[in-house]
Amino acid sequence: GAGVSQTPSNKVTEKGKYVELRCDPISGHTALYWYRQSLGQGPEFLIYFQGTGAADDSGLPNDRFFAVRPEGSVSTLKIQRTERGDSAVYLCASSLEGQQRGSSYNEQFFGPGTRLTVL
Amino acid sequence: KNQVEQSPQSLIILEGKNCTLQCNYTVSPFSNLRWYKQDTGRGPVSLTIMTFSENTKSNGRYTATLDADTKQSSLHITASQLSDSASYICVVSFDRGSTLGRLYFGRGTQLTVWP
Repeated sequence: GAGVSQTPSNKVTEKGKYVELRCDPISGHTALYWYRQSLGQGPEFLIYFQGTGAADDSGLPNDRFFAVRPEGSVSTLKIQRTERGDSAVYLCASSLEGQQRGSSYNEQFFGPGTRLTVL
Repeated sequence: KNQVEQSPQSLIILEGKNCTLQCNYTVSPFSNLRWYKQDTGRGPVSLTIMTFSENTKSNGRYTATLDADTKQSSLHITASQLSDSASYICVVSFDRGSTLGRLYFGRGTQLTVWP
């Protein structure tokens, strides 16, 4: 595809349920990022993948959140035992390379997001 | 505490007018600073990216400035159009060790352009 795609665009679930959010990055992009954006706030970093491995998962709020990228392309963000406070837009972004010291730019291209609502 | 602060929180201007949005960041070492435009219901789209050695960067009617000494940046929009109505987010990338993978986002300035 031409850009980053995310599915579903909207997800409504009940408190305590399990959800999976999918991200398809731009073909050839090795780096993939997940962010969470609450209403009226800027995106908040969750996790960053370089290839198949999570290079930085320090933004995951707790152990209910987990993300995988088994083949270095598509990524899935998994949330167990969802809580109402998990309601937000979950954004995915990809870039050609992960950011390294000394590099000038590494533009991240964002998907449209998945709006998660936990009732 | 948010390490990237933006002002104003919201701004209303008339079509054709200019405006300037402000961004202050507090943490170093700093790698690069970006301004993104986010339309409602969409993901952010990059407008400008500057390293610490760059003072200004333009993209059409958008001009970003950076003062790395005072840790301040501004985004100037000239001859505003209705389509400029969006949230403008300042994003700072910090240098951590040998690699870095996260961006720090401000809360954004919500700009509304009226006809």
